[in-house]
Order: sequence, then C-alpha cells, then structure tokens
Amino acid sequence: NAGVTQTPKFQVLKTGQSMTLQCAQDMNHNSMYWYRQDPGMGLRLIYYSASEGTTDKGEVPNGYNVSRLNKREFSLRLESAAPSQTSVYFCASTRGLAGVQETQYFGPGTRLLVL
Amino acid sequence: GQQLNQSPQSMFIQEGEDVSMNCTSSSIFNTWLWYKQEPGEGPVLLIALYKAGELTSNGRLTAQFGITRKDSFLNISASIPSDVGIYFCAGRGTYKYIFGTGTRLKVLA
Repeated sequence: NAGVTQTPKFQVLKTGQSMTLQCAQDMNHNSMYWYRQDPGMGLRLIYYSASEGTTDKGEVPNGYNVSRLNKREFSLRLESAAPSQTSVYFCASTRGLAGVQETQYFGPGTRLLVL
Repeated sequence: GQQLNQSPQSMFIQEGEDVSMNCTSSSIFNTWLWYKQEPGEGPVLLIALYKAGELTSNGRLTAQFGITRKDSFLNISASIPSDVGIYFCAGRGTYKYIFGTGTRLKVLA
C-alpha cells in the first residue's frame, strides 16, 4: 500500500514548455486534489475531483488543466509554463464521505522550477 | 484567498518543554486536521477532529476542536528534537479544505 504517489519528484522547465504531473492513489479514495505550496502562502487548491469523471476549479486554477483518468489517477497539466508557476505541487486524496469523518492524505510532492 | 490564521508563526523551544499552537477562522468548519511537514516531504496527517469540543490524542500530541467550530488547538508535550518541522492546520468547509500558513517548530537540545 503506497498511499499517494507523485511523479516526477523534481522538474525544470523553460517558459512556454508544457508538462504533466502525475498522481496516483491505491487507497480506493473517491476524491483527489491538487495543491501548490509557496513560501508564506500555505497550501492553495488548484483543482479537485470529487469523484471519477468530475473535476472542479479551486482557488488558483489559471494556467492549469486536470484529468481524472480513473479512480486511481489524477493528473495536472501545465500547457505553457510561466515562472509564476514555480512551486511545490502536492496531490492529495480523501477518505470518507464528503463532510463525514473525512481525512486527507498527501503525496510527497513535485518540485517545479520554471526558468 | 481564504486562509486560516495560525499562530505562532515560529517558535524555538527547549527539549522537554510543552508546545501549544492554534488556528482560528472566521468560518465554521466541520472537520479539523493537523499535519506535520518536514523539509522536502509532503504533509503527514497527525490528528483528525470531527466534532465540536472533541479532544483527541496521538502519543504526545493532543488536539481539540473548538466549541465555536471556528478554532482548533494542538499541544505537544515533552518535546524532542525530532518534533522539528512545520505544523499545519486545515479546516474543511462546504466542499474543500482551507490551510493555515504553518507553525515552524525548532527544538533546542
């Protein structure tokens, strides 16, 4: 049981390049989330998926797209990377029914540097 | 964006001392979660709280869900050097989690 896994662990991009961050969970959780973490800002929600087949914008969705490929996998795509997207990206999944005994688990993160 | 007020922002303590930190919000939450994050790692869940007034322990850690549902507290007793890290609170609103900015804890041996 690996929990939440993310690939790659670290990536350097040039402005304008595209890339996809991968996330998978093996806990049979329904909900999955993408966050970014910047110094002094805490964790901010980019997109989330309440269940397979659905996705919704979070607090900072601009410049990103997501795909909930199946129940296990939730990917985050940067179509044209910008220096402002330099950050640490965390994927998370949630156990429990919405609002009832919910617990959120995080992956190890992807560190992205956009030059 | 909306964030929780977490305090203190950082603290240095002596090994063996007790530590207290808290989070407050203008919004009511149904769930409070407390996490610890170490450098280069993702947040690791410490304690989950689901009911106003609930007091839950995990080893030397104790957390409480405030009666007003707008705050939560985390206490660490008899701190040790490996308690070093950043502690985050998270409150669950209608459909998503809101995170505090973290308390950076440094333990002096």
